[in-house]
Amino acid sequence: ELKVEQNPLFLSMQEGKNYTIYCNYSTTSDRLYWYRQDPGKSLESLFVLLSNGAVKQEGRLMASLDTKARLSTLHITAAVHDLSATYFCAVDVNSGYELNFGKGTSLLVTP
Amino acid sequence: ETGVTQSPTHLIKTRGQQVTLRCSSQSGHNTVSWYQQALGQGPQFIFQYYREEENGRGNFPPRFSGLQFPNYSSELNVNALELDDSALYLCASSLDEGYNTEAFFGQGTRLTVV
Repeated sequence: ELKVEQNPLFLSMQEGKNYTIYCNYSTTSDRLYWYRQDPGKSLESLFVLLSNGAVKQEGRLMASLDTKARLSTLHITAAVHDLSATYFCAVDVNSGYELNFGKGTSLLVTP
Repeated sequence: ETGVTQSPTHLIKTRGQQVTLRCSSQSGHNTVSWYQQALGQGPQFIFQYYREEENGRGNFPPRFSGLQFPNYSSELNVNALELDDSALYLCASSLDEGYNTEAFFGQGTRLTVV
């Protein structure tokens, strides 16, 4: 059974600080997605990582994928309050057939 | 906005009843997947439809069933509702073009079973 583990599950950080969210998964995959979810809302696609060593950046967020270590990271640079949300990683092991999500990391950015 | 729309947005049902949730996929997308997201959890895959056929199923009982129509819109039906079925139900559409398949999610239907 595929396991997708995120850590931390809860993160409170001050504005301006940097932090990394980790996503480990238990089976071979070279496709990983990061989503953002605001309270009561749907999932917003942030990054699609399709190969080993893939790195993508958008604003203060940067995602990377190491398929050999079965690890993806989501790095937050100089956090701002607007980044407060829950972040999910999702692993695709069946070529778009099924996404396996982690439990999510609930991020709160405080002044 | 992803172009994926779900209806209704909120629904309250009584245990034992049946419910139908609807999803209109993004224009040009031929694949629809349904996910259940319990409070505080990540979404769980229910099933996927591709060109009107079920293309795969997660670990959900048969009382969860679905349909996909020729226009690629989809329905999720749940019979004999249980209290644990209370969740946010998310529909995701994608275009099956081989390797690069990205799913776009609708706003979800919040189902409460009482």
